[in-house]
Amino acid sequence: KQEVTQIPAALSVPEGENLVLNCSFTDSAIYNLQWFRQDPGKGLTSLLLIQSSQREQTSGRLNASLDKSSGRSTLYIAASQPGDSATYLCAVATGGSYIPTFGRGTSLIVHP
Amino acid sequence: GAVVSQHPSWVICKSGTSVKIECRSLDFQATTMFWYRQFPKQSLMLMATSNEGSKATYEQGVEKDKFLINHASLTLSTLTVTSAHPEDSSFYICSAQRQRLNTGELFFGEGSRLTVL
Repeated sequence: KQEVTQIPAALSVPEGENLVLNCSFTDSAIYNLQWFRQDPGKGLTSLLLIQSSQREQTSGRLNASLDKSSGRSTLYIAASQPGDSATYLCAVATGGSYIPTFGRGTSLIVHP
Repeated sequence: GAVVSQHPSWVICKSGTSVKIECRSLDFQATTMFWYRQFPKQSLMLMATSNEGSKATYEQGVEKDKFLINHASLTLSTLTVTSAHPEDSSFYICSAQRQRLNTGELFFGEGSRLTVL
């Protein structure tokens, strides 16, 4: 059974810092890995999707990497802004199934 | 990006009544839709997977007679919480996958906050 762990659980940083959020998974036979953002009381917004055959994806200030052999993915946020404050969730779909397993998320606060 | 609409965004009901939540994919056809439940400061708990035209597959521990799921078309799935009780109060979120798009990318609705009095 796939298990997904996100570290740290919470993070508070001043504006402008570059951040790294970590996601680890136990079963390396994944189909894809997706990073989401969730604002309080809201649904999830897809940030980046990395297919099993890919090593990284970039969108604006966000960069996500994938290392299947070590069971890890990182989400890099450059030049953080207060508007980046949210919970970031990692979801891993194991090979043969599109059904993702979610981590508990990292709660990020970027203060001015 | 693909849009998934969920309605209502919040609902308050009396204990013993039934509540229906709709999940629609607005600009794409969804082969599969998922229903999740989220407790405060917790991650998402998958309740069931619904495929258009077939019965939903429920996760272990989820009562299928309590949480009725219907996926009548490629753009609409509904979750009905029957005979709701206060312990059913939660945040319910749906997600959808595009038909014939083999990336497996998920798109989420905005969620529905259910409060049972």
